[in-house]
Amino acid sequence: DQQVKQNSPSLSVQEGRISILNCDYTNSMFDYFLWYKKYPAEGPTFLISISSIKDKNEDGRFTVFLNKSAKHLSLHIVPSQPGDSAVYFCAASASPEKLTFGTGTRLTIIP
Amino acid sequence: DTGVSQDPRHKITKRGQNVTFRCDPISEHNRLYWYRQTLGQGPEFLTYFQNEAQLEKSRLLSDRFSAERPKGSFSTLEIQRTEQGDSAMYLCASSPRGDFTDTQYFGPGTRLTVL
Repeated sequence: DQQVKQNSPSLSVQEGRISILNCDYTNSMFDYFLWYKKYPAEGPTFLISISSIKDKNEDGRFTVFLNKSAKHLSLHIVPSQPGDSAVYFCAASASPEKLTFGTGTRLTIIP
Repeated sequence: DTGVSQDPRHKITKRGQNVTFRCDPISEHNRLYWYRQTLGQGPEFLTYFQNEAQLEKSRLLSDRFSAERPKGSFSTLEIQRTEQGDSAMYLCASSPRGDFTDTQYFGPGTRLTVL
């Protein structure tokens, strides 16, 4: 039962353009959402989060959008840079205790 | 460096052997979490501690797995009688208080290979 889904295993974007990563969830109890970035042989690094009382949160080049009615969130990266190439995980929480992760999207930024 | 640290980074063992991993959380973080990540999947929750108390265990944590956090500081995860299916990346994370909007910060992980 995959409660958090990232349906695109990979995405390629040209440097300088916008990268849009998508995530869908099924558990209506989720009320806090996070994006993590992971390089090979490293642990996930926190990027940005959003609580269910908001529909947008922005931090520099990164913006997360939440559509609760559609149970959908997205991460926008603009402009995309070569260092953004990594695997991005969407995660959701119904409590502070544990995160439920998606399967990840591998983002490749093409110079 | 004040991030989460894990030791060892890599462990290769033979089926049936016991292994133990260590996690040192960020100083003064009350909550400590263990996750497991297999190839092509996202991290999956195993267990978490509030200080020294283990408060929840996933059904993924079979009887062969045990975790401790003595004195509420570092934590150990032991796997007894390892099986090939235990091969995975074991990730540790910590958070300050366990509040609703706490962020979990992850360590680099321990990659276990069971031959």
